[in-house]
Amino acid sequence: NAGVTQTPKFQVLKTGQSMTLQCAQDMNHEYMSWYRQDPGMGLRLIHYSVGAGITDQGEVPNGYNVSRSTTEDFPLRLLSAAPSQTSVYFCASSGSGGGFNEQFFGPGTRLTVL
Amino acid sequence: AQKITQTQPGMFVQEKEAVTLDCTYDTSDQSYGLFWYKQPSSGEMIFLIYQGSYDEQNATEGRYSLNFQKARKSANLVISASQLGDSAMYFCAMREGQWASKIIFGSGTRLSIRP
Repeated sequence: NAGVTQTPKFQVLKTGQSMTLQCAQDMNHEYMSWYRQDPGMGLRLIHYSVGAGITDQGEVPNGYNVSRSTTEDFPLRLLSAAPSQTSVYFCASSGSGGGFNEQFFGPGTRLTVL
Repeated sequence: AQKITQTQPGMFVQEKEAVTLDCTYDTSDQSYGLFWYKQPSSGEMIFLIYQGSYDEQNATEGRYSLNFQKARKSANLVISASQLGDSAMYFCAMREGQWASKIIFGSGTRLSIRP
């Protein structure tokens, strides 16, 4: 069981470039989310998904796109990178249903936009 | 809209003392869940404890307990007998309603344990 995996671990982009951050989980979780964490701050929700084919915006969605074609994968696309998107990006997943569901986090992707 | 507030940016505590990390929340939903996570300097997010809005008892997990005061909308984390390894960032988070995927985090408290 690999849990939640993210690739790449580190990435440097130039302003205006696009790229996709990959996230995969092997726990058959319905729910997946993307967060960004800026230095010294908490996590802010970018986009989330409650199942394959269903996504919704979080607190800071601008500049990012997501899709969920399978239960396992939830890629995050940066359309035109800006220095303000320099951050650490975390993907997370959790099971469905009401009540308590622990959210499992990936190790993070550290992105720098020059 | 839901909101999580952590008013202590940083705290210093002597080893073996108990420590309370504050968290207040705002929501109009009757059904919600509250979480605490630890983030050591290595960067990973470690789940500590969960409290559901309908749980009558305060949640406990080993040295961690959650002091849940629903009327005051507070969910403070209490760490008993602090250890050097407890030095880390601590985040309070809330899930509003049944959609477990939408979880909002506070800005965090940096806890430093002095030997």
